[in-house]
Amino acid sequence: QKEVEQNSGPLSVPEGAIASLNCTYSDRVSQSFFWYRQYSGKSPELIMSIYSNGDKEDGRFTAQLNKASQYVSLLIRDSQPSDSATYLCASSNQAGTALIFGKGTTLSVSS
Amino acid sequence: NAGVTQTPKFRILKIGQSMTLQCAQDMNHNYMYWYRQDPGMGLKLIYYSVGAGITDKGEVPNGYNVSRSTTEDFPLRLELAAPSQTSVYFCASSYSRGRSQETQYFGPGTRLLVL
Repeated sequence: QKEVEQNSGPLSVPEGAIASLNCTYSDRVSQSFFWYRQYSGKSPELIMSIYSNGDKEDGRFTAQLNKASQYVSLLIRDSQPSDSATYLCASSNQAGTALIFGKGTTLSVSS
Repeated sequence: NAGVTQTPKFRILKIGQSMTLQCAQDMNHNYMYWYRQDPGMGLKLIYYSVGAGITDKGEVPNGYNVSRSTTEDFPLRLELAAPSQTSVYFCASSYSRGRSQETQYFGPGTRLLVL
């Protein structure tokens, strides 16, 4: 059973700090990786997708992928209270037909 | 575009009853998915479809059935509801080609309580 693992948290950071969320995946042939944000009682929404080794930046968010280490991370700069949510990491399955989700990391940003 | 829509938003079922959760998308996506999410847990894939007429089991298919007669609709059928099926159900869709998964877009969810 292929898995995606995340630290469940909670991860607590002060407003304005950098939040670092980490994720490891077990399927070496995974090609697509995603970070979703989920507010309590709401559906997941895409934050970042990343397909190649290295960094990908979008505003305050940076995704990092290291396929050799099977590791994906999400950095949130200048964290805001509105960033408080659960962040789900996902990787594609071997066939590329579905995503495998981690259990999520809860982030709390205090003002 | 409405995106991915789901009905109902909330439903209470008695043990042994059946129901269909509706899901529709208007983005002409070829892939559609059903997930369940239990408290504090991630998303577990129930069934998915790569196109009209084609469905396949995910990680937790027992107790559920699906069909996909059109590109737009992907209903999930619960037969003989059990308390273990109490969960939040999310439908999602994506446009994917080859072996590369593209972004999945999620519906608002259906909260189901089986008593």
